[in-house]
Amino acid sequence: AQTVTQSQPEMSVQEAETVTLSCTYDTSENNYYLFWYKQPPSRQMILVIRQEAYKQQNATENRFSVNFQKAAKSFSLKISDSQLGDTAMYFCAFMTGISNTGNQFYFGTGTSLTVIP
Amino acid sequence: NAGVTQTPKFRVLKTGQSMTLLCAQDMNHEYMYWYRQDPGMGLRLIHYSVGEGTTAKGEVPDGYNVSRLKKQNFLLGLESAAPSQTSVYFCASSYLALLGRVDNEQFFGPGTRLTVL
Repeated sequence: AQTVTQSQPEMSVQEAETVTLSCTYDTSENNYYLFWYKQPPSRQMILVIRQEAYKQQNATENRFSVNFQKAAKSFSLKISDSQLGDTAMYFCAFMTGISNTGNQFYFGTGTSLTVIP
Repeated sequence: NAGVTQTPKFRVLKTGQSMTLLCAQDMNHEYMYWYRQDPGMGLRLIHYSVGEGTTAKGEVPDGYNVSRLKKQNFLLGLESAAPSQTSVYFCASSYLALLGRVDNEQFFGPGTRLTVL
């Protein structure tokens, strides 16, 4: 079974500080993609960052970076210099079935992050 | 580009009523998905489609039907609404994933909040 686990239902961080959200997953496939999505109070799902499993280098997008540990099946998100606008629900997801007619997405249950002024 | 749009944005139904949610995408994506989001449960896949004229069941398909008569549209139907179907519904779309492709992620609509009384 393919699963995604986010073990931190809620987290908080002081503005300008750094916070790390954890995610683990389980799959038997070798090629897959990993994603972090942000869902602010507006409900819109916004892609934060993506990581290709075949790439060893960790992805970065401005203040957002990941720590991808393929052997451990871990994919954590680090947010540096936290801003009030980072307050949102964060979902970890991965996609399997690349290059065939069955790519599937799997989502974690989310981590609610609050940035405190 | 409008991306992924959903209509309606809000709806209140009485038990036993029927309705159809419409999803449209203008990105020429092959895949389309319907999810429901409930507190503490993340996103759960209802049905998905890998192309025009094809549909498949996801994790929680009971009580829902779908159709994809045109590539750009994916309809979700509730034939006889029940209070357990009170939820926020998201449509998403994506390309057929390819190794090395940089835009393999799902693109989401803004969501539909459905209340069944």
